[in-house]
Amino acid sequence: DAKTTQPPSMDCAEGRAANLPCNHSTISGNEYVYWYRQIHSQGPQYIIHGLKNNETNEMASLIITEDRKSSTLILPHATLRDTAVYYCIVSPSEDYKLSFGAGTTVTVRA
Amino acid sequence: NAGVTQTPKFQVLKTGQSMTLQCAQDMNHNSMYWYRQDPGMGLRLIYYSASEGTTDKGEVPNGYNVSRLNKREFSLRLESAAPSQTSVYFCASSEGGAGNTIYFGEGSWLTVV
Repeated sequence: DAKTTQPPSMDCAEGRAANLPCNHSTISGNEYVYWYRQIHSQGPQYIIHGLKNNETNEMASLIITEDRKSSTLILPHATLRDTAVYYCIVSPSEDYKLSFGAGTTVTVRA
Repeated sequence: NAGVTQTPKFQVLKTGQSMTLQCAQDMNHNSMYWYRQDPGMGLRLIYYSASEGTTDKGEVPNGYNVSRLNKREFSLRLESAAPSQTSVYFCASSEGGAGNTIYFGEGSWLTVV
């Protein structure tokens, strides 16, 4: 049973903001939303995570809806190096493991 | 900044051969993981170790064994390799606990012929 639903692919223009949606309608109160990305042939890279509040770091912003059933990862100024597969993962705080789905393949075009 | 180091990076095995993938982390993390990734697929958890001295099965443990040698090292062994085990293997580590971030190695490409 998939806990998250993401579009299989999306394109965005270099220099523009990239908004990556994720649905997690069955999320529980103690489950975090994580975002990772995987650039071709490399190990996945942590981007950001959150529980209830919106979060921002040097890489991205995470916007979680008030009902927590969906979230959006925002890459504020996409570059060609942001081309990757982006994974949205929901996992309880006490769970040591993360389950990766198929993710969204993001292609940034010049 | 070594982070998570995996060896070997590439390996070709014949069906029935055995081998061990080595993994070490230098971040003093409590938890370690082994994932596999087949072409065009997401990562699937093979085994994990929540803390030194413990190991648990993940989503796809069949055909594998693991050893948490100490806090730094977590090895994955294929006792009798099969072509279905051709994959990219990723080791990872985390502090464990609430909101933990997992850090991944660069992967080991294994081909079983």
